[in-house]
Amino acid sequence: DGGITQSPKYLFRKEGQNVTLSCEQNLNHDAMYWYRQDPGQGLRLIYYSQIVNDFQKGDIAEGYSVSREKKESFPLTVTSAQKNPTAFYLCASSIGAAPGNTIYFGEGSWLTVV
Amino acid sequence: AQSVAQPEDQVNVAEGNPLTVKCTYSVSGNPYLFWYVQYPNRGLQFLLKYITGDNLVKGSYGFEAEFNKSQTSFHLKKPSALVSDSALYFCAVRVLSGSARQLTFGSGTQLTVLP
Repeated sequence: DGGITQSPKYLFRKEGQNVTLSCEQNLNHDAMYWYRQDPGQGLRLIYYSQIVNDFQKGDIAEGYSVSREKKESFPLTVTSAQKNPTAFYLCASSIGAAPGNTIYFGEGSWLTVV
Repeated sequence: AQSVAQPEDQVNVAEGNPLTVKCTYSVSGNPYLFWYVQYPNRGLQFLLKYITGDNLVKGSYGFEAEFNKSQTSFHLKKPSALVSDSALYFCAVRVLSGSARQLTFGSGTQLTVLP
């Protein structure tokens, strides 16, 4: 099946820990994205990548880091600097970064601080 | 800066009745408009988009949306609602230029279809 796979679905982080959320796509898409979803606030862009080995900060990048070493993979690390990391995280991709291209989403990962 | 407003947090409609979920936008330049649906604990599913051309756009699951440039609106509609349409709906906008090319979402509208 073609699609975007996020793992794990549920993740618990202790205070001071870094955690990494995985995102893999087999759609051969060039562009990939990470969004954060909080209740009542819609989705906010954390980072995006238009091509391998390149990525840009979105609106709320502080406390997060990414890498794009392979076209199909775009992992997100939530660092201890992110003070309020409990949220639903969504990875997405599109064939290219042009604004008319549809962005497709994975099933999301829940991160909870314990 | 671009923005999207979904003025209704909650919309209730009886099964079989028509439904409308409202969306207005503010951008500089021509907008690219999208609707997504989210079921509980799931990712977003793409429904439809407006790029250019015909103002009435048809999408998945019988949904359609009408682009109205003068009112800067892109309302989502369906002639006959199903209970299974109950979900969270997001409107989103992109524009052509610079960093604003990224997708900006509204805050979402919870649609409940009552049997």
